Amino acid sequence: DTEVTQTPKHLVMGMTNKKSLKCEQHMGHRAMYWYKQKAKKPPELMFVYSYEKLSINESVPSRFSPECPNSSLLNLHLHALQPEDSALYLCASSQAALGAHYNEQFFGPGTRLTVL
Amino acid sequence: SQQGEEDPQALSIQEGENATMNCSYKTSINNLQWYRQNSGRGLVHLILIRSNEREKHSGRLRVTLDTSKKSSSLLITASRAADTASYFCARVTGGGNKLTFGTGTQLKVEL
Repeated sequence: DTEVTQTPKHLVMGMTNKKSLKCEQHMGHRAMYWYKQKAKKPPELMFVYSYEKLSINESVPSRFSPECPNSSLLNLHLHALQPEDSALYLCASSQAALGAHYNEQFFGPGTRLTVL
Repeated sequence: SQQGEEDPQALSIQEGENATMNCSYKTSINNLQWYRQNSGRGLVHLILIRSNEREKHSGRLRVTLDTSKKSSSLLITASRAADTASYFCARVTGGGNKLTFGTGTQLKVEL
């Protein structure tokens, strides 16, 4: 299984809602990532988990809260979002954190989030 | 910004033609990668070229790297309509823990 799955595919939420995005991989990868991508822009890194521990937080606002319950799952909890947070949220995984050894990243199809 | 710059921003060609897109960057690299993204979907890794390599091939893809000019190019030969996508170069930054993407080239291959 070389897939990264993400649910839901689409999400519409109000600014007062609480929702969660889910990402799953069964490739035995030990590094997982959240990216945010606006239209016609490159993906921007939000968080990196390495061996289930948060290793990088790219100064993301606290209304985004990541969670890694186990080595296969990665969640992104959303609360009190703003309309400008509307974007495609991509999850990715790699065999290990990049470090000195490069590992290709495998991406999920993304969750298209709209904040009203 | 540590983003690489890619050019052209957009490229439209006919099926069967070759497509070349370029990536420039500012800091030293260990390797450089290319990814493809179909409209509104996840990214797919295409090819990785290490800093001590000058050229690499994978099927219809050819990547070159010139570390003295801090630039790379991706050539797609005999393009097909299915090659229509955005193409991003990416390099490891942040002490080796981050992947930073270039601005991307939107390729359209017309029948």
